[in-house]
Amino acid sequence: DAGVTQSPTHLIKTRGQQVTLRCSPKSGHDTVSWYQQALGQGPQFIFQYYEEEERQRGNFPDRFSGHQFPNYSSELNVNALLLGDSALYLCASSFLGAAEAFFGQGTRLTVV
Amino acid sequence: GENVEQHPSTLSVQEGDSAVIKCTYSDSASNYFPWYKQELGKRPQLIIDIRSNVGEKKDQRIAVTLNKTAKHFSLHITETQPEDSAVYFCAASINLSGTYKYIFGTGTRLKVLA
Repeated sequence: DAGVTQSPTHLIKTRGQQVTLRCSPKSGHDTVSWYQQALGQGPQFIFQYYEEEERQRGNFPDRFSGHQFPNYSSELNVNALLLGDSALYLCASSFLGAAEAFFGQGTRLTVV
Repeated sequence: GENVEQHPSTLSVQEGDSAVIKCTYSDSASNYFPWYKQELGKRPQLIIDIRSNVGEKKDQRIAVTLNKTAKHFSLHITETQPEDSAVYFCAASINLSGTYKYIFGTGTRLKVLA
């Protein structure tokens, strides 16, 4: 059983560009959450998807958007990249109603 | 707003000693408190969790305690081993219509000295 998988593992982008990160949840999980982890900090909640809808959102600008597909996989899109967007982006999956979440290995985004 | 404070930021202990990491949360509606271990370059891994209706939970060398009145919870690791060296994160979470979002602490870098 594959756990949560994310792609790509590393990415370098230029300021102003757009980026799409992808996440496949653990088998059977239907809820996907995205977190941003800056260097030396704890993960910060970006948003959560269930049934292809955004259910909760953290304190992130509209440049951050997402999508969930019928197979429960998810994408995180960031537009107009800033240097401060450089971070590890983590995806976590769970069952709706379950508290436990399982994390992917993350995508390391570097904006230059 | 929602906030979780975590202390200390770094902790060095001798192998075999105990380690304690403390967290304080702000939202009294928080009802689930997981602890994650993150090794360098790896994903956060759930090591233990506790719900608001329980005061203490233990799993082998790891235990977590919760004081709802004071809004404090702590991770206790006994008989530490070099492989316990990692960054540990606490989190507080609220159930909103069946979904949970985690508010994480800033992490504690634990070094176990052989």
